Amino acid sequence: AQSVAQPEDQVNVAEGNPLTVKCTYSVSGNPYLFWYVQYPNRGLQFLLKYITGDNLVKGSYGFEAEFNKSQTSFHLKKPSALVSDSALYFCAVRGDTGGFKTIFGAGTRLFVKA
Amino acid sequence: DSGVTQTPKHLITATGQRVTLRCSPRSGDLSVYWYQQSLDQGLQFLIQYYNGEERAKGNILERFSAQQFPDLHSELNLSSLELGDSALYFCASSGPINSPLHFGNGTRLTVT
Repeated sequence: AQSVAQPEDQVNVAEGNPLTVKCTYSVSGNPYLFWYVQYPNRGLQFLLKYITGDNLVKGSYGFEAEFNKSQTSFHLKKPSALVSDSALYFCAVRGDTGGFKTIFGAGTRLFVKA
Repeated sequence: DSGVTQTPKHLITATGQRVTLRCSPRSGDLSVYWYQQSLDQGLQFLIQYYNGEERAKGNILERFSAQQFPDLHSELNLSSLELGDSALYFCASSGPINSPLHFGNGTRLTVT
């Protein structure tokens, strides 16, 4: 069965500091991995994806994520956090077998302090 | 703008009632997904359709049903509503398997 774990309910970081939001996954077959961001009263917005190829993926708004197959992880990173990055972040996984449903983690709330 | 349209934005109804939520996917997307987001449950996958056919099923209650029509829009029907069904219901659409989901802004359902 597919599953996604985001071990931190909340991450606090000072503006200008690097940030990491953690994600681990379990899936049958090859994983397609995604990060999304949600602002209050809005739908989720796509940030970046890993399908195949380079383990470091770059996405929107300066975010990047590192795929680690041996650790089944896909952590979201940004070198320098902005106050405007404060939001709810979701990691998601889709397997290439068994119906292709996309499963989301519980979400991590990021607070960036000025 | 994701290109995914959900109606209505807000819905207030009483326990025991039945409601229908509507979703128009992004142009060209054949897959439609429904998710429920509540404060204590995160984002729960309900069901997925691909080109009119049910593709995958998640934790969808028997009181809930969905369908995707030939024009690719989808409806989620919720019946015998309970207080615990109060939540945000999101629709998303996608293209091929390696493409991301594009979400609508959701329907906020309040059951009183």
